[in-house]
Amino acid sequence: DAKTTQPNSMESNEEEPVHLPCNHSTISGTDYIHWYRQLPSQGPEYVIHGLTSNVNNRMASLAIAEDRKSSTLILHRATLRDAAVYYCILSVIQGAQKLVFGQGTRLTINP
Amino acid sequence: NAGVTQTPKFRVLKTGQSMTLLCAQDMNHEYMYWYRQDPGMGLRLIHYSVGEGTTAKGEVPDGYNVSRLKKQNFLLGLESAAPSQTSVYFCASSYSGGVPDTQYFGPGTRLTVL
Repeated sequence: DAKTTQPNSMESNEEEPVHLPCNHSTISGTDYIHWYRQLPSQGPEYVIHGLTSNVNNRMASLAIAEDRKSSTLILHRATLRDAAVYYCILSVIQGAQKLVFGQGTRLTINP
Repeated sequence: NAGVTQTPKFRVLKTGQSMTLLCAQDMNHEYMYWYRQDPGMGLRLIHYSVGEGTTAKGEVPDGYNVSRLKKQNFLLGLESAAPSQTSVYFCASSYSGGVPDTQYFGPGTRLTVL
């Protein structure tokens, strides 16, 4: 399975942009890049996904490097509610699309 | 829509006891999944189902059984609980299982085995 590497933790201030990096140097041409986040004591929730082009939605933006070996999740204006563990995941198709979770990045937002 | 719900929210078992965790979804999703999350770790896939009446093994299936008798429900069973099965269990569902496909997660069941 293709693996991702993320920093264990990051810290930012409220109302500032946050850039969460992810390395995936062994990504294959058909792997989608997914981001999920897990708020304290909750199940993971979908944030965004992409294949080759940068993507935007109401929650965040995803910037994908041209060689696809890395990507960055961008929260444009962090709020206290964005404090969570963020997981960068590559899809694995084996009977179903399986999400292989690493340890993720724990994001702390300072007021 | 309630989304994905899980029953119970908390449970304490003694070693050797059995129990069933229930997952229900009201989004008419074909695919359903069971994960476990140990402290400080990411989620690991236990079993999954690609449709009513089907089940398949995930990454860590030993000690668990599952059944999908109805499309909206996915049951996870522990026949003889062990302390190593102390964990938080999450259920998820997705529309098709194809790529890309968003998984929707339930709130989790916290299980302690003494």
